[in-house]
Amino acid sequence: AQRVTQPEKLLSVFKGAPVELKCNYSYSGSPELFWYVQYSRQRLQLLLRHISRESIKGFTADLNKGETSFHLKKPFAQEEDSAMYYCALSATGNQFYFGTGTSLTVIP
Amino acid sequence: GAVVSQHPSWVICKSGTSVKIECRSLDFQATTMFWYRQFPKQSLMLMATSNEGSKATYEQGVEKDKFLINHASLTLSTLTVTSAHPEDSSFYICSADRGQNTEAFFGQGTRLTVV
Repeated sequence: AQRVTQPEKLLSVFKGAPVELKCNYSYSGSPELFWYVQYSRQRLQLLLRHISRESIKGFTADLNKGETSFHLKKPFAQEEDSAMYYCALSATGNQFYFGTGTSLTVIP
Repeated sequence: GAVVSQHPSWVICKSGTSVKIECRSLDFQATTMFWYRQFPKQSLMLMATSNEGSKATYEQGVEKDKFLINHASLTLSTLTVTSAHPEDSSFYICSADRGQNTEAFFGQGTRLTVV
């Protein structure tokens, strides 16, 4: 069965500091991994997916199959990055299995 | 970007009654729609996947007779919570995509409170 783990429920960093949101997964096949973000009072939106290997809003994430991880990183956090971040796994299509989420607060 | 809208955004119903939640793709045709449930301070849990014109596929542990899903058209899917009980109170979120390998877009969610 698939499982996505985000060990940190809350994470606070100072503006300008590096930030890393951890995500580990378990799945027997070859999943697709995603990061979704939810800003205050807004709906979930896609931040990035491992297949595209792109950087969005300065965030990157590398899929490490050996460690079954897909950590989200940004070298310099900004106040507008404060949000709820969900790591998600997709086995087929857009059926997502989400982690419990990490609430990121960037302190000015 | 594509917009997915849910209606209502918030609903209160009496225990034992049924409540219907709509999920519409406003500016695209949705091949597949998904329904999630989110308990307070917890993650989204996939409930079911629906394709237009066919029966929904439910995740393990989700009662299909309790949560009726109808995907009647390429722009509308409905979730009916039948004989609702207080433990059904939750935040229900839908998402929709245009097909394989396309991005899924999420609705704003519907908060259901059963009293």
